[in-house]
Amino acid sequence: GAVVSQHPSWVICKSGTSVKIECRSLDFQATTMFWYRQFPKQSLMLMATSNEGSKATYEQGVEKDKFLINHASLTLSTLTVTSAHPEDSSFYICSASVFGTDTQYFGPGTRLTVL
Amino acid sequence: GQQVMQIPQYQHVQEGEDFTTYCNSSTTLSNIQWYKQRPGGHPVFLIQLVKSGEVKKQKRLTFQFGEAKKNSSLHITATQTTDVGTYFCVSQKLVFGQGTRLTINP
Repeated sequence: GAVVSQHPSWVICKSGTSVKIECRSLDFQATTMFWYRQFPKQSLMLMATSNEGSKATYEQGVEKDKFLINHASLTLSTLTVTSAHPEDSSFYICSASVFGTDTQYFGPGTRLTVL
Repeated sequence: GQQVMQIPQYQHVQEGEDFTTYCNSSTTLSNIQWYKQRPGGHPVFLIQLVKSGEVKKQKRLTFQFGEAKKNSSLHITATQTTDVGTYFCVSQKLVFGQGTRLTINP
């Protein structure tokens, strides 16, 4: 139980294009989803927290207009990297949690490479 | 903002040796979680500690939460090759420690 999927698992795009990453909770309803980025051999850094049906809360230093987050249902959240640049290349991981619990269930991650 | 420091950054041990990673927060924690990330994988929840001085065990893993709720540790007894990975502590504000990468010589 508590499986989270991400799609795509990897993506290569040209600079200036936008990329959408999907995060789905497969066997549970996730009241809250989190988006992280992880650089090679480094820790995870929280980008934003999203609750179903409301606007995402972004961490300090994360541009909300660049990283668009939509949490339209209890099983789906999307992260859109707009006008991607090479410095946006990273490993993006989502996680989901159930209301009333602190446990996060992580997706397998999406590796984004911007050329 | 809250900072979570974790040491050591790397640890290489012989199979069968013990391993410990330590986590310190700049502020008092309401709880702390531990996750394990295998190479190429995603973090997997191990445990959450809530009470001051709490000690929890999972087979060969022992987790401790400090009396002041500002530090925590994870100790693995008699490591096995399946223990390889990076261990992260995470605060209630979702601040991750830098992680300790454990490698094991079989």
